[in-house]
Amino acid sequence: DIQMTQSPSTLSASVGDRVTITCRASESVAGWLAWYQQKPGKAPKLLIYKASSLVAGVPSRFSGSGSGAEYTLTISSLQPDDFATYYCQQYHSYSPLTFGGGTKVEIK
Amino acid sequence: QVQLHESGPGLVKPSETLALTCSVSDDSISTYHWSWIRQTPGQGLEWIGYVSSSGTTNYNPSLKSRVALSRDTSKKQFSLRLTSVTAADTAVYYCARHSPGGTAAGTFDSWGLGTLVTVSS
Repeated sequence: DIQMTQSPSTLSASVGDRVTITCRASESVAGWLAWYQQKPGKAPKLLIYKASSLVAGVPSRFSGSGSGAEYTLTISSLQPDDFATYYCQQYHSYSPLTFGGGTKVEIK
Repeated sequence: QVQLHESGPGLVKPSETLALTCSVSDDSISTYHWSWIRQTPGQGLEWIGYVSSSGTTNYNPSLKSRVALSRDTSKKQFSLRLTSVTAADTAVYYCARHSPGGTAAGTFDSWGLGTLVTVSS
């Protein structure tokens, strides 16, 4: 399995802050990396695919970058609606598809 | 926008079989791949497997001996069976649609609301 490790596990931030979340894979996933946002009691929502491609309708304050085994999700100016848990997912290998453990972004 | 809806028992006894169905609101079941994903507080998100647009299946190796996915295109449904369940299988189970082919094909662009399944006697 490709193991996905996110850091930090929890992040405290204020509205307007620039926030960065890191996702490290146990081996290169060659850019086949997605990011999801999940709010309590809801299903995850796809934000970014192929490491840096923004899903239609997702605000441009979200961006993704990285290559090989290390990736980041950046929120350029945190908004009240952004307080949620974020997950990375690799789809380089389907044996199996794997997710990171999540990063909870909470209000400072 | 496609809607997905999971249904099935919320309580299953240990050693028995968990069976869930996902209903798809439109006629796209033969166009996309469809997955089951579960979420537990301790283990996070775990991909269970998918049934492809052509009806083939692919499973998480850690669950492969206990899992079977199937689909019924006439009913616009796909299903999960997980045998010999234990308390460790207690989770919120989601059905999800794979994004269209190309660079997003292994991601999930539409999800059901999720259904909590508890394994307990």
